Amino acid sequence: EDQVTQSPEALRLQEGESSSLNCSYTVSGLRGLFWYRQDPGKGPEFLFTLYSAGEEKEKERLKATLTKKESFLHITAPKPEDSATYLCAVKTGANNLFFGTGTRLTVIP
Amino acid sequence: DAMVIQNPRYQVTQFGKPVTLSCSQTLNHNVMYWYQQKSSQAPKLLFHYYDKDFNNEADTPDNFQSRRPNTSFCFLDIRSPGLGDAAMYLCATSRDIRGNEQFFGPGTRLTVL
Repeated sequence: EDQVTQSPEALRLQEGESSSLNCSYTVSGLRGLFWYRQDPGKGPEFLFTLYSAGEEKEKERLKATLTKKESFLHITAPKPEDSATYLCAVKTGANNLFFGTGTRLTVIP
Repeated sequence: DAMVIQNPRYQVTQFGKPVTLSCSQTLNHNVMYWYQQKSSQAPKLLFHYYDKDFNNEADTPDNFQSRRPNTSFCFLDIRSPGLGDAAMYLCATSRDIRGNEQFFGPGTRLTVL
């Protein structure tokens, strides 16, 4: 059975304190791993797609990496506006997105 | 700006009273999806349309139906809402069935009294 597990469930960081969020997956036939940001009461906002182990993508203070079993979302020198829930999703042979439950990030000024 | 629009943003209905949620898109994407997201949970795919072809997830209750009258619009009908159907309903689109990135609307929060 396909599984996506995100950790930690919640993370509190001081502004400027870098850290990483983890997404581990067990799926048959990975066709892509996606990171989304979701603000309270809003729909998920697309951040990155990763397709193969070793791939990396960057956007501002965020960097996503992928191995054969997990993905990391690295946040460098976060700011309060980076506070959100970060969702990881995988696309499998069924061509549907299967989401993890997310990491709720709070960045304290 | 091209976007995914959902109406209403907040919907209150009574137990057992049918309700319809609306989604429209200006992206001209072929695929439209409906997700259910309960508090602090992952979005869960209910069904999707690839063009006019309807694809239902195996565990989506019969209480949930969908219509896509044209490329731009898709509706979610809940025939007899129960208390357990209270959730955020998210509409998303993608250019094709290979999916790549999906673009989400802001969601409709459904309350069932």
